[in-house]
Amino acid sequence: KQEVTQIPAALSVPEGENLVLNCSFTDSAIYNLQWFRQDPGKGLTSLLLIQSSQREQTSGRLNASLDKSSGRSTLYIAASQPGDSATYLCAVPFGNEKLTFGTGTRLTIIP
Amino acid sequence: GAGVSQSPRYKVAKRGQDVALRCDPISGHVSLFWYQQALGQGPEFLTYFQNEAQLDKSGLPSDRFFAERPEGSVSTLKIQRTQQEDSAVYLCASSWGQVYGYTFGSGTRLTVV
Repeated sequence: KQEVTQIPAALSVPEGENLVLNCSFTDSAIYNLQWFRQDPGKGLTSLLLIQSSQREQTSGRLNASLDKSSGRSTLYIAASQPGDSATYLCAVPFGNEKLTFGTGTRLTIIP
Repeated sequence: GAGVSQSPRYKVAKRGQDVALRCDPISGHVSLFWYQQALGQGPEFLTYFQNEAQLDKSGLPSDRFFAERPEGSVSTLKIQRTQQEDSAVYLCASSWGQVYGYTFGSGTRLTVV
């Protein structure tokens, strides 16, 4: 069974700082890993999708890395802004395509 | 459509009432998933369709939960005789296939009173 863990559970940083969110998974036989953002009371917005053959993906101020062998992914957010405040979830497909999610990191950017 | 559409956005049901939640996936997406998200938790898998075939329903918590996708597009998640523990956000996602990643809807927040 695939287990996904995210550390820290919550993080507060001043605006403008760079930060790293961590995701670890137990079964390294994954096709890809996807990072999502969830605003309170809303659905999930896809941020980045990293295929198993890739080591990183970038979108604007976001950079995600993937190390399959160690079962880890990181999401790096540069020059954080108050609008980045949200819960960030990582997820990996397990079995016949169903996603296993971490419990998320609740990020607060302090103006 | 441009995204995954779910309705209703909010649903309040009296305990024992039946509810039906609708998901309209991105046009052409073969795979469709339902997830349940309790407050403060990550989404938990409920069931998965490939076209009209329900390939995995191992996450459905009880036989009160039933999902269908009769024509391989729109899907309905039905909950019979709702209980308080069914209160959660129900998320729908669709995909071309796992290589392409998943697109989620905004969810339906179900509150059973």
